[in-house]
Amino acid sequence: DTGVSQNPRHKITKRGQNVTFRCDPISEHNRLYWYRQTLGQGPEFLTYFQNEAQLEKSRLLSDRFSAERPKGSFSTLEIQRTEQGDSAMYLCASSLVGVGQETQYFGPGTRLLVL
Amino acid sequence: GDSVTQMEGPVTLSEEAFLTINCTYTATGYPSLFWYVQYPGEGLQLLLKATKADDKGSNKGFEATYRKETTSFHLEKGSVQVSDSAVYFCALTPNTGNQFYFGTGTSLTVIP
Repeated sequence: DTGVSQNPRHKITKRGQNVTFRCDPISEHNRLYWYRQTLGQGPEFLTYFQNEAQLEKSRLLSDRFSAERPKGSFSTLEIQRTEQGDSAMYLCASSLVGVGQETQYFGPGTRLLVL
Repeated sequence: GDSVTQMEGPVTLSEEAFLTINCTYTATGYPSLFWYVQYPGEGLQLLLKATKADDKGSNKGFEATYRKETTSFHLEKGSVQVSDSAVYFCALTPNTGNQFYFGTGTSLTVIP
């Protein structure tokens, strides 16, 4: 069973550095989502792709954040010039668009700590 | 806008006790409703879902019924186990299905 995988699982960086996270969705899923989760809160939507097209971005996604899904398979989320406020768990989810509402399947997350 | 409000925790119960975690929602149209569970150190896992009014989702002894008249989707289990200790998230996706809106989560601890 190959679910959603994310790498790395943990990342510690210094303020001002750039970081990049990778998400590999379930293979036949055409939608991929990024969320951010801070301690004691539920996940907050950041952006999503359908195939390689980025269709929606939250206002939470500042200019320092960029996400790509170049071949419609894996995706990367890059944060430039990290700030302490970026410390959070970054979650990836994937789904298969079809008839009715689709279920999103989540990866284990990448926990980022900015010092 | 669309949102989910769920009962604040933490909740501590003895094994075999009855569990209810309240969840209410605000949405236009007819959203789908979900409960996700997050065990310590793991990612979110789908627990159950319901896609239309009066539907009942169920899994692993947990149940929740989509009540449009009260805009609620309360999670229940008749007899909790220690292994049910986790954080539970109520969520909705609007009928466009583009993103999920999550509640803040309810932490459950079950003691032997």
